[in-house]
Amino acid sequence: NAGVTQTPKFRVLKTGQSMTLLCAQDMNHEYMYWYRQDPGMGLRLIHYSVGEGTTAKGEVPDGYNVSRLKKQNFLLGLESAAPSQTSVYFCASSYGAQGYEQYFGPGTRLTVT
Amino acid sequence: GENVEQHPSTLSVQEGDSAVIKCTYSDSASNYFPWYKQELGKRPQLIIDIRSNVGEKKDQRIAVTLNKTAKHFSLHITETQPEDSAVYFCAASSYSNYQLIWGAGTKLIIKP
Repeated sequence: NAGVTQTPKFRVLKTGQSMTLLCAQDMNHEYMYWYRQDPGMGLRLIHYSVGEGTTAKGEVPDGYNVSRLKKQNFLLGLESAAPSQTSVYFCASSYGAQGYEQYFGPGTRLTVT
Repeated sequence: GENVEQHPSTLSVQEGDSAVIKCTYSDSASNYFPWYKQELGKRPQLIIDIRSNVGEKKDQRIAVTLNKTAKHFSLHITETQPEDSAVYFCAASSYSNYQLIWGAGTKLIIKP
């Protein structure tokens, strides 16, 4: 099993450009999450999904949109990138809601100039 | 909402010594407390977790203790080894708000 995969691994955008990050999991997990990681700030939840066709806002949702059209995929979109969105983005999935291990993807390093 | 504070931000210990990282949480309803390890350039991975009905849990050289009254929990690593060098994150969640709230992380440096 591949677990949780993310594409791309690296990306450089100019301010105002758009892009989509793809997360895929092959563990049949219901729950999926998008985090951003900035130095000294830990992991902050952007959006999450509790099942196919559902999405919800996390701690820092502004400037991002998500979709979960298929159970195994969770997409994170940036419509108009800003330098403040320079970060490392991690996708994660879990079997259940509370008390279950979250399995992380390898991350996407995004730089917005 | 829940807030998780983690200390210290950096911890340097001699190889073979013990390391202790502490986290405090604000929501008394929190009942699940995992610890994740993130090696440089890698993804976070769960190393141990504890639930509120247990005061201590051990797994070989690592252990976690929970003090519900004081609302703090700690990660203990004994006989530290070079491969323990990493950033460690604590987190907390509750049944009513099952999203994990993360601490800011502790960079553990093992000196040879």
